[in-house]
Amino acid sequence: EVQLVESGGGLVKPGGSLEVSCIASGFTFETYSLNWVRQVAGKGLEWVASISSSGRAIYYSDSLKGRFIVSRDNAKKSVSLQMNSLRAEDTAVYYCARDLCSGGNCPIDYWGQGTLVTVSS
Amino acid sequence: QSALTQEVSVSGTVGQKVILSCSGSGTNVANYAVGWYQKTSQGAPKTVMYGSQLPSGIPDRFSGSKSGTTASLTISGLQPDDEAIYYCSTWDSRLKAKVFGGGTKVTVL
Repeated sequence: EVQLVESGGGLVKPGGSLEVSCIASGFTFETYSLNWVRQVAGKGLEWVASISSSGRAIYYSDSLKGRFIVSRDNAKKSVSLQMNSLRAEDTAVYYCARDLCSGGNCPIDYWGQGTLVTVSS
Repeated sequence: QSALTQEVSVSGTVGQKVILSCSGSGTNVANYAVGWYQKTSQGAPKTVMYGSQLPSGIPDRFSGSKSGTTASLTISGLQPDDEAIYYCSTWDSRLKAKVFGGGTKVTVL
């Protein structure tokens, strides 16, 4: 059974940093690209970033303007999102999601349960 | 403004057929498979369709299709459990990004 389990969410002050992580199981981790998708309360789903199976191709939403960094460790079957210079508008549930393919240019097939990040003073 | 355009809301009675659309462009929908995701107020998104393929465990009353720059999700035989917001998403080669539609709220009357 494919499972994606996020962790690391919490309360952080504006301007601060936080890293959220996702541990995967139930599939051959190194053959799939992965994503971070977020949802602000009351708003729609918003794609944040994708990382290819090898980690060599990484794509970000333009709206993040270089504040977020995605990485993966295929040996540990994990993917992380380092979030810097956090703003109140980054408050959202962050979902880890697996692609159908290895390169990122395909639909998502599995989602984690999400981790809540709250940016507030 | 989303790169993909979806109806804001669609409604139907139990057993009725409803069709949701996802309108994009030549750099996204026309050339890449479209995913459809069901999101209720509680819980994570669930993938209900990718391209025209039904994920394991999803009822076959869901079907997907595409014509040019518009993809569609059809729910044949609407059920109360289908009440949710449905998002479409695909890859955009110009933006080099995954793009989502704004979501369609499906209401079962």
